[in-house]
Amino acid sequence: DTGVSQDPRHKITKRGQNVTFRCDPISEHNRLYWYRQTLGQGPEFLTYFQNEAQLEKSRLLSDRFSAERPKGSFSTLEIQRTEQGDSAMYLCASSEDRGVTGELFFGEGSRLTVL
Amino acid sequence: AQSVAQPEDQVNVAEGNPLTVKCTYSVSGNPYLFWYVQYPNRGLQFLLKYITGDNLVKGSYGFEAEFNKSQTSFHLKKPSALVSDSALYFCAVRDIDSSYKLIFGSGTRLLVRP
Repeated sequence: DTGVSQDPRHKITKRGQNVTFRCDPISEHNRLYWYRQTLGQGPEFLTYFQNEAQLEKSRLLSDRFSAERPKGSFSTLEIQRTEQGDSAMYLCASSEDRGVTGELFFGEGSRLTVL
Repeated sequence: AQSVAQPEDQVNVAEGNPLTVKCTYSVSGNPYLFWYVQYPNRGLQFLLKYITGDNLVKGSYGFEAEFNKSQTSFHLKKPSALVSDSALYFCAVRDIDSSYKLIFGSGTRLLVRP
């Protein structure tokens, strides 16, 4: 196991197009998180899964954003009708179910550029 | 609500000198605090965490952090900086809801000059 994997690493799209990002967490981790990071800022929480259940969504996650984790393993984050303001790095993280003690392990991120 | 603040956008230090990157926190209840490092166009790498116990926490790559409850601070330190330590550093606090998500500060850019 080599850690959290994200695909694609880079995506350039035109405004109005749909994009989908995939995250493969560390295999025994049942907690999965999506964050968004804009240039010069800290990561901002988007959504959280425990196994296949999406248990929390940030207000940042507009109706154009949808995330799934259908079998409790990999997850996808889809952005519909992209806008220039969606340009950011989308980070996925996973952790074991250890309550407050477990650190999050992050993937390398998927950088989205909307033209 | 849980939050952290990183008051410095950038810290400059000469190689071989000690470095400190500052973080203060605001929490309800016990603080669970983390430091991460980010290199250009990469994800975040875990450095260290404070959950309970000793106020001085040791982590990866020679970094350590000092938890100070009275000053609500969790500063990151290293006795002797390396040029390769130049990166973006993020302090984070664990949220206390069921997601246990991390809430990050705005980051501090560390620049170590040769």
